[in-house]
Amino acid sequence: GQNIDQPTEMTATEGAIVQINCTYQTSGFNGLFWYQQHAGEAPTFLSYNVLDGLEEKGRFSSFLSRSKGYSYLLLKELQMKDSASYLCAATDSNYQLIWGAGTKLIIKP
Amino acid sequence: ETGVTQTPRHLVMGMTNKKSLKCEQHLGHNAMYWYKQSAKKPLELMFVYNFKEQTENNSVPSRFSPECPNSSHLFLHLHTLQPEDSALYLCASSQDPGSSYNEQFFGPGTRLTVL
Repeated sequence: GQNIDQPTEMTATEGAIVQINCTYQTSGFNGLFWYQQHAGEAPTFLSYNVLDGLEEKGRFSSFLSRSKGYSYLLLKELQMKDSASYLCAATDSNYQLIWGAGTKLIIKP
Repeated sequence: ETGVTQTPRHLVMGMTNKKSLKCEQHLGHNAMYWYKQSAKKPLELMFVYNFKEQTENNSVPSRFSPECPNSSHLFLHLHTLQPEDSALYLCASSQDPGSSYNEQFFGPGTRLTVL
């Protein structure tokens, strides 16, 4: 079966760095997305990786290892507004998005 | 209006009611999606429309009935729902569902409560 695993909840301190991990098992693979979802709001796109390596975009970076079926989202210089759920989704051979349950990130002052 | 809009934002209904959720996308995309989001569970894909044609129906109960009159509008008709159908219903759109880079743009969702 197809499966995405990510931690349910993480806590970090304002100004610090946090890494949210995601492992995936899909029938075929055509890339991995990270979305951010604030409570009561729409998920919004953060990043897309299809090749191995690190993609940096400001305070946020996303890493992919296709051989290990593994990705992480790295958030630097955490701000209170980064408190949200972070959704990992892998694209399978039919170009369908397979979603994880999301990681709720709590930022403390 | 920009992006993807959904109405209503909140809906409370009894099990015998009939209601409809509406979604509109202003992005010129070709595909539209309905998802169900329950607490601590992955997004569940319910329906996909590509160029107004339904391409996916992931074993959704018949009490949920989608309608896509054109590529900009999507409806979800609800009737005789169950309390376990209470969830956030998200609409999304994308430009090219047949490509690896299929970024989906989401609406804010309708929070549905079935009493």
